[in-house]
Amino acid sequence: NAGVTQTPKFRILKIGQSMTLQCTQDMNHNYMYWYRQDPGMGLKLIYYSVGAGITDKGEVPNGYNVSRSTTEDFPLRLELAAPSQTSVYFCASSFSGNQPQHFGDGTRLSIL
Amino acid sequence: KQEVTQIPAALSVPEGENLVLNCSFTDSAIYNLQWFRQDPGKGLTSLLLIQSSQREQTSGRLNASLDKSSGRSTLYIAASQPGDSATYLCAVKGGGSQGNLIFGKGTKLSVKP
Repeated sequence: NAGVTQTPKFRILKIGQSMTLQCTQDMNHNYMYWYRQDPGMGLKLIYYSVGAGITDKGEVPNGYNVSRSTTEDFPLRLELAAPSQTSVYFCASSFSGNQPQHFGDGTRLSIL
Repeated sequence: KQEVTQIPAALSVPEGENLVLNCSFTDSAIYNLQWFRQDPGKGLTSLLLIQSSQREQTSGRLNASLDKSSGRSTLYIAASQPGDSATYLCAVKGGGSQGNLIFGKGTKLSVKP
């Protein structure tokens, strides 16, 4: 009964480094999402996918890339980490666009 | 551009009280509205989802209402308990089933024993 699993839970990066945040879901959901949550702000959508092989930009996509080669996995890549990308990143999934979204526990990322 | 506002930002009540959390949105052309709960250091848990054609949804002690014409939703919590302490987030989806969820900043609820 894992739901949405995100790894790692915490990470510290240096400016200019790259990394991939992993997200996997075992609910056979078609839709997957990546959000960032900054202190005192609402969540903002980075990228989303409506199925394997299909991705689209959200509200704040700059500096990030995604891929969706399988239904289960939706990794988020930061190519050149910048201090402005310090945030908590949440992955979510849903069966369809009008069904509730299920969230992982987040990845806390600091860029110094 | 859709904006979602939640008032108050924080609320403290004694155990047993009934309470109402408010959510307002600027564009009434929404697809659905969702209420979430977030515990410290955790992800979001979906509480209730109201489709645009619905007026309310209920789950246990929770009742959420939707008035699209006035751009408002309320989350009613009956007989509050210390375990209800968390941040409650409202989010609206526009633009059809593939539209973005736009989140409010949340209301931090504290229920005192």
